[in-house]
Amino acid sequence: QQQVKQSPQSLIVQKGGISIINCAYENTAFDYFPWYQQFPGKGPALLIAIRPDVSEKKEGRFTISFNKSAKQFSLHIMDSQPGDSATYFCAASYTGANNLFFGTGTRLTVIP
Amino acid sequence: GAVVSQHPSRVICKSGTSVKIECRSLDFQATTMFWYRQFPKKSLMLMATSNEGSKATYEQGVEKDKFLINHASLTLSTLTVTSAHPEDSSFYICSARDQPGTGKETQYFGPGTRLLVL
Repeated sequence: QQQVKQSPQSLIVQKGGISIINCAYENTAFDYFPWYQQFPGKGPALLIAIRPDVSEKKEGRFTISFNKSAKQFSLHIMDSQPGDSATYFCAASYTGANNLFFGTGTRLTVIP
Repeated sequence: GAVVSQHPSRVICKSGTSVKIECRSLDFQATTMFWYRQFPKKSLMLMATSNEGSKATYEQGVEKDKFLINHASLTLSTLTVTSAHPEDSSFYICSARDQPGTGKETQYFGPGTRLLVL
């Protein structure tokens, strides 16, 4: 059973546009929601993470929006650049959990 | 940020041989390390969790005799794929956690190891 559902599977955005990736979860015990960026042939790298005590977190061009009541969180990439082209994974975990529960990934392509 | 390294980055071996992959946390102590497997264009599949000095905990469906994990120190974990077969060909990624159980769990991932079994 997929604990974290991610959409879309792939996304094509024009340079300068906004990329939006959505994730949803069911387990209300989740209290840590990171996003990872993975380039081909490389391991995932932590991009940004949020905890449910805030509804939004921004780091540079990357913003996480969190809706606790809807059990959804999303990644927004502002002013998308070709260098942002990668696969993005959302994940979730809870305090004391041993591992992260990953979404299925979104392949983002930013075209010049 | 915390750095995790893996060695080798890619390996090609013959069917029936064993392959060892090393995962090191370079600038922090990792009490817990994780091993993932990733198929092309797919998500990460957790294989096992290893805690320093104790036996690894394997996920359902992962053969512990096939994938031997050793976490001998706070900075090193190894995954040995024994008697490798072509179906074991995959991208193996390790990660390490720096603050277990504090509510600030953050996993740092290694760059991955591409295994090709001929």
